[in-house]
Amino acid sequence: QKEVEQDPGPLSVPEGAIVSLNCTYSNSAFQYFMWYRQYSRKGPELLMYTYSSGNKEDGRFTAQVDKSSKYISLFIRDSQPSDSATYLCAMGMNRDDKIIFGKGTRLHILP
Amino acid sequence: DAGVTQSPTHLIKTRGQQVTLRCSPKSGHDTVSWYQQALGQGPQFIFQYYEEEERQRGNFPDRFSGHQFPNYSSELNVNALLLGDSALYLCASKGQDKNIQYFGAGTRLSVL
Repeated sequence: QKEVEQDPGPLSVPEGAIVSLNCTYSNSAFQYFMWYRQYSRKGPELLMYTYSSGNKEDGRFTAQVDKSSKYISLFIRDSQPSDSATYLCAMGMNRDDKIIFGKGTRLHILP
Repeated sequence: DAGVTQSPTHLIKTRGQQVTLRCSPKSGHDTVSWYQQALGQGPQFIFQYYEEEERQRGNFPDRFSGHQFPNYSSELNVNALLLGDSALYLCASKGQDKNIQYFGAGTRLSVL
């Protein structure tokens, strides 16, 4: 079983829809949970960062962490064509600076 | 405030050659990590440098080595290149307060 599982997609949704992206993980020692956005042939860009269970909102983006279920989500409201990218979930531990990434979900927002 | 910068942007090498990639961390950051991202995959951790020492290493062979300089910049060296080393190589930097890593645009290495 991989430490972090993420459906690679692709996921296609119409403009304006709410997008839900998810990851599951197996290592309960993970403390930091991050979502990165990566455009084609670019480096990952940090979108959201959370440390605890619960929700964190930033503009159109909401990150959700459920440590009891080992499940994290990213919601994108009012999706735009410019949101079309690969979204990578990533996790790390307090004293272990290595970040473990999911495979990434390719998202297409259809105008 | 410059972010993480990497050079070169693209590189083409042949099997058996050696390559050096360079990274300058974000201002105020002192820790540099290197990741390899194969096509269609998430980044895989190679190693991390702090205070000019390799602090942690992922599951990569000794052909992959690195260095960190006193100004916190870093190099990744790969010897005896294999076709399978073709990938996007990403550098990430962080400060000491949180485990939040910021990435550069990467170096795309093609091994022919």
